[in-house]
Amino acid sequence: DAKTTQPPSMDCAEGRAANLPCNHSTISGNEYVYWYRQIHSQGPQYIIHGLKNNETNEMASLIITEDRKSSTLILPHATLRDTAVYYCIVRQGKGGSNYKLTFGKGTLLTVNP
Amino acid sequence: GAGVSQTPSNKVTEKGKYVELRCDPISGHTALYWYRQSLGQGPEFLIYFQGTGAADDSGLPNDRFFAVRPEGSVSTLKIQRTERGDSAVYLCASSLRGTFSYNEQFFGPGTRLTVL
Repeated sequence: DAKTTQPPSMDCAEGRAANLPCNHSTISGNEYVYWYRQIHSQGPQYIIHGLKNNETNEMASLIITEDRKSSTLILPHATLRDTAVYYCIVRQGKGGSNYKLTFGKGTLLTVNP
Repeated sequence: GAGVSQTPSNKVTEKGKYVELRCDPISGHTALYWYRQSLGQGPEFLIYFQGTGAADDSGLPNDRFFAVRPEGSVSTLKIQRTERGDSAVYLCASSLRGTFSYNEQFFGPGTRLTVL
């Protein structure tokens, strides 16, 4: 699976949008971008995933650049409960070992009051 | 509905002892995974079960680690002759299927293992 690069930490004010970047310059055509987050003392939680189109759900939006070499996770109105480590993961669409999630160190997002 | 549960939530043991960690997946999920998370790191894959069989155990660090899922539901991770380096949070996850293109993994809260 392609390697991802994320900033180690970011801060955001409560109520503002949080934009978390991820670089995945070696991503291949059949690999998806997944985002998980891990709140302190809990297991990781799925947020969103995409292949090449932008995606939105009730939790977040995912913007993938046209060349697919980077993406941004957007939390439109961050709350204190969004403070967590956010992991960007590249994963094969099907076959191979696509069941295996390869986590990096992620980005610690701190939402401040 | 109920999520993935893991017991115990905390386990403290002495070096050289044997431990068992239990995972109850979401009902109906055929795929089950174990990960290990050391302090300050992301989770690392240990083993993947599809049904009762271990489809991929390539992440188990050595032969002191073993996992079973005899009836295709509950799984137990077993660690023999524990070492201080085994101290970590052990996470279990389950998903409806294993290798289809979209396959969200649901994680439990983890078991924090401390080896003294």
